[in-house]
Amino acid sequence: DGGITQSPKYLFRKEGQNVTLSCEQNLNHDAMYWYRQDPGQGLRLIYYSQIVNDFQKGDIAEGYSVSREKKESFPLTVTSAQKNPTAFYLCASSIPANYGYTFGSGTRLTVV
Amino acid sequence: AQSVTQLGSHVSVSEGALVLLRCNYSSSVPPYLFWYVQYPNQGLQLLLKYTTGATLVKGINGFEAEFKKSETSFHLTKPSAHMSDAAEYFCAVGGSGNTGKLIFGQGTTLQVKP
Repeated sequence: DGGITQSPKYLFRKEGQNVTLSCEQNLNHDAMYWYRQDPGQGLRLIYYSQIVNDFQKGDIAEGYSVSREKKESFPLTVTSAQKNPTAFYLCASSIPANYGYTFGSGTRLTVV
Repeated sequence: AQSVTQLGSHVSVSEGALVLLRCNYSSSVPPYLFWYVQYPNQGLQLLLKYTTGATLVKGINGFEAEFKKSETSFHLTKPSAHMSDAAEYFCAVGGSGNTGKLIFGQGTTLQVKP
């Protein structure tokens, strides 16, 4: 079955450490997105990519980085510059644009 | 620019009662509108969407929503709530020419009481 796979489901980060969240899709979607979810704040866009080897910053990109070397993959790195990384991270993809996203099941990141 | 406002962060209904979750949007282009549902520690699942055509949209699990351009609203309804409807619901807006990004509301948590 086609879908989006996010891994790991739970991730713990130590202070000053970079961590990478995986997002893989086999839907043949062109566009992929990363959102951060905090209680009471809805979903905030971190980065998005509409084509391989190209991506744009969203509303809260500081402290995060991404790459899009393959159509199927859009990993998110949470760097040590992100001072408050504890949150639920959601990856999504879409084709064509504006016709709704398919979401992964999320990664819950906690700073320890 | 586009934005979404969901009125009420928490809504509580009794089982069997009408569910009404409110969503108002702002958009400078013809909007595409969506409702998603999220169960705890899971991703979002598409309930229904409006792009063009009929303004009353039917979705999964008995939900429907009506696009009212004059009121800039896209409220979600279900005639009779089930316990399994308890979840968080998100309204989202997109639109042609906006790069494909969706703008999400803050979410509404639906509680269903026995």
